[in-house]
Parts: sequence; C-alpha cells; structure tokens
Amino acid sequence: EAQVTQNPRYLITVTGKKLTVTCSQNMNHEYMSWYRQDPGLGLRQIYYSMNVEVTDKGDVPEGYKVSRKEKRNFPLILESPSPNQTSLYFCASRLTSGSAETQYFGPGTRLLVL
Amino acid sequence: GQNIDQPTEMTATEGAIVQINCTYQTSGFNGLFWYQQHAGEAPTFLSYNVLDGLEEKGRFSSFLSRSKGYSYLLLKELQMKDSASYLCAVRSMYNFNKFYFGSGTKLNVKP
Repeated sequence: EAQVTQNPRYLITVTGKKLTVTCSQNMNHEYMSWYRQDPGLGLRQIYYSMNVEVTDKGDVPEGYKVSRKEKRNFPLILESPSPNQTSLYFCASRLTSGSAETQYFGPGTRLLVL
Repeated sequence: GQNIDQPTEMTATEGAIVQINCTYQTSGFNGLFWYQQHAGEAPTFLSYNVLDGLEEKGRFSSFLSRSKGYSYLLLKELQMKDSASYLCAVRSMYNFNKFYFGSGTKLNVKP
C-alpha cells in the first residue's frame, strides 16, 4: 500500500531534550516536506526536500533541522525543543517538485513539549 | 508569503449544497489545491485548479478566478461524513516547492 508513515504518533517531552520524528514514504517520491499545524494558523511549511541531499527552508524553520540521506526518509530533528514547538506535525511527499500532483500526507505526530 | 482567507466555520444540512470560499493574493500564484481533513487525521487531496474555471469531481467541484484571487469548493448532496475541515492551499509561482495553506473551514453537517 502506498503510504507516508511517521513515528512516533504521539510524544510528550521536556524542554531541551533532543528528539527526532521519522518520516518514510514507499512511493519513490522525490519531494518531501514537513508542516506544523496549529489552531487558527493552518499548516505552515517547516522544511522541504527536492531530492536526496537537497533541502531548503520553508516559512517556519527556526528550531528545526532535517536531513535527506535516502530518498524514502526525511526525519525532522528538534535539537532543543521548547514549549512553542508543541504542535501537530505532518510529513508529506509528492512525485516531483515541479508537478501538479498533490502531496500525500502522513498520519501526523502530536508533540507536547513541557 | 501568501495571505489566504477562508471562513472559520460553516454549518449546512444533510442533502444540501454548500460553497466554501477562499481568497488569496494574486501575485506569485501557481496553482490552488483543496484538501479535506477530518479531525485528528491527515489532509487528503480533493482538487487542483491552475486555470480559470470549474473542475468537477463527483459531488465536489472547485472553481478558480485568477484575476480575482478567488476560489470556491462546492459540495453537493451533503452527507454526514462530509463534516470535516476544508483547507485551501496555494503553490508559489516563484518556488514550486513552497505551499501556503489557509487556516481551514470547519464544516458541520447536521441531519
């Protein structure tokens, strides 16, 4: 089954404790992206990747890092989480960066930073 | 970036038709997407418009006017399962990799 998976789905952590949210897709998509969703603000793009070893900032990259060492995986790293990073995070992928094709979203990771 | 405006919430009756509007800045536009998102779930794709006019897909249609910076999603023969949030998203003309989402319209379908 074609899908985007994220782990963990739920995470409670404390300020300053490094964490990684994994994202994997099995559709051989070139393009992957991370979003956060907050009430009243909609989905905001954090980082995106056009292909292996090619990443760029979205609108809200502060406090986050990403890497794309393999085509299928695009982990999101919070080196020193803070309470304002409490949010619902979605990973997404699509075939190529220039196509009209839609993005496919993972199931989401709900993060609470205390 | 883009300012994308949608109504926060709407209520409609089962079997009826509802129109959800979306307005955006016209500069830097390259395509508009509509997604459906049930509470606690991932957004799923509904429609894509890049040229003016109406795109129809079963009970769902989406309209675009590029000169007015305006789109709407039309849902016909509403069903209870259509209760969800509907997200409007614009892709940047300057960077095809950048997407800007509205805050979503929560649609409540009542019996």
